[in-house]
Amino acid sequence: AQTVTQSQPEMSVQEAETVTLSCTYDTSENNYYLFWYKQPPSRQMILVIRQEAYKQQNATENRFSVNFQKAAKSFSLKISDSQLGDTAMYFCAFRVNYGQNFVFGPGTRLSVLP
Amino acid sequence: KAGVTQTPRYLIKTRGQQVTLSCSPISGHRSVSWYQQTPGQGLQFLFEYFSETQRNKGNFPGRFSGRQFSNSRSEMNVSTLELGDSALYLCASSPSGGLEETQYFGPGTRLLVL
Repeated sequence: AQTVTQSQPEMSVQEAETVTLSCTYDTSENNYYLFWYKQPPSRQMILVIRQEAYKQQNATENRFSVNFQKAAKSFSLKISDSQLGDTAMYFCAFRVNYGQNFVFGPGTRLSVLP
Repeated sequence: KAGVTQTPRYLIKTRGQQVTLSCSPISGHRSVSWYQQTPGQGLQFLFEYFSETQRNKGNFPGRFSGRQFSNSRSEMNVSTLELGDSALYLCASSPSGGLEETQYFGPGTRLLVL
């Protein structure tokens, strides 16, 4: 079975500090894409960052970066210089086949404290 | 471009009734996926439509059905509602449902079954 685990149900971080959200996944496929989505309170889900499994270089998007460890099946998200607007549920997800659905983790609720 | 829109945003129904939810994808997107989001089960995939055909289906009972029209708009229907169907129903669109494509989510329809 293909699964995603996010071991931290809730986290908090002080504004301007750095936080890392963990994600591990399980698949026997070799080609897949990994995603982090953000769902702010009462707002719609948006893509934060994505990573192609065949690329060794970790993806970065401004203050967001990932640490992708393919052998360990780990895909953590680092948020630098945290801002109040980063407060949200963060979902890790992957997709392995064309036309296949996304498999989402249970989410990590991140609170950025002033 | 306008984003993914979902109507209605909120619904209250009683057990045994049926409900139809609508999703309009981003213009040019032909793949529409539906997800059920609950606090206990997280995000669970319902089904995906592409070019008016159901291409992929999650593990939900037959009470959950959907369809897609020639303009890519999609509807999902839940018959004989149960209390456990109370959830946020999200739809997401992408150009063709390709492995590398980002899914763009709508704001969701919050369904409460009494």
